[in-house]
Amino acid sequence: DTAVSQTPKYLVTQMGNDKSIKCEQNLGHDTMYWYKQDSKKFLKIMFSYNNKELIINETVPNRFSPKSPDKAHLNLHINSLELGDSAVYFCASSQGWGDSNQPQHFGDGTRLSIL
Amino acid sequence: AQSVTQPDIHITVSEGASLELRCNYSYGATPYLFWYVQSPGQGLQLLLKYFSGDTLVQGIKGFEAEFKRSQSSFNLRKPSVHWSDAAEYFCAVGRRYGQNFVFGPGTRLSVLP
Repeated sequence: DTAVSQTPKYLVTQMGNDKSIKCEQNLGHDTMYWYKQDSKKFLKIMFSYNNKELIINETVPNRFSPKSPDKAHLNLHINSLELGDSAVYFCASSQGWGDSNQPQHFGDGTRLSIL
Repeated sequence: AQSVTQPDIHITVSEGASLELRCNYSYGATPYLFWYVQSPGQGLQLLLKYFSGDTLVQGIKGFEAEFKRSQSSFNLRKPSVHWSDAAEYFCAVGRRYGQNFVFGPGTRLSVLP
């Protein structure tokens, strides 16, 4: 049973295209996240949603738009893809909000490559 | 805001040798501390966590970590490394009153046969 699943695992596309990455968690968690991991393995949070509401929105270009149709799903849509968007994107989830003592559970990542 | 440093970018040890990965944090209060491991092509898996109480915490796969408030450190240790431990290791700090994790830059562990 996959706890946090992301699709697709690999995404290769051309500059200027629009693409989406989907994430689903079956852990019953309230909070979901998107992280970007660059080529140097540095992990940076992009967004966090709690019960479908946007909580954390770090300095991310507005070409990136998260959408949470329900608390088990958090999708990431990216418009006008740029070379610098090439990275691995991780979805994660955790229980609760207001106190970050709950560990985050991660998906296996989506490797996005821009040609 | 909290911050995390992992001074070692890459560490190589021989199989069977002991291991210590360093993590230092900056936070005004007692933080929540985590160690995660990332195997190639995989997501992050939680190894262990510290919230309060006993400063020596045990995790999965034979790992342990010790919280030292005076040194603002949370170093990860393993007495005998196995080849399957080769991976990227991330220390993370969470803060009270806010769902905001900060990850360190990671330490890549290589294991020699």
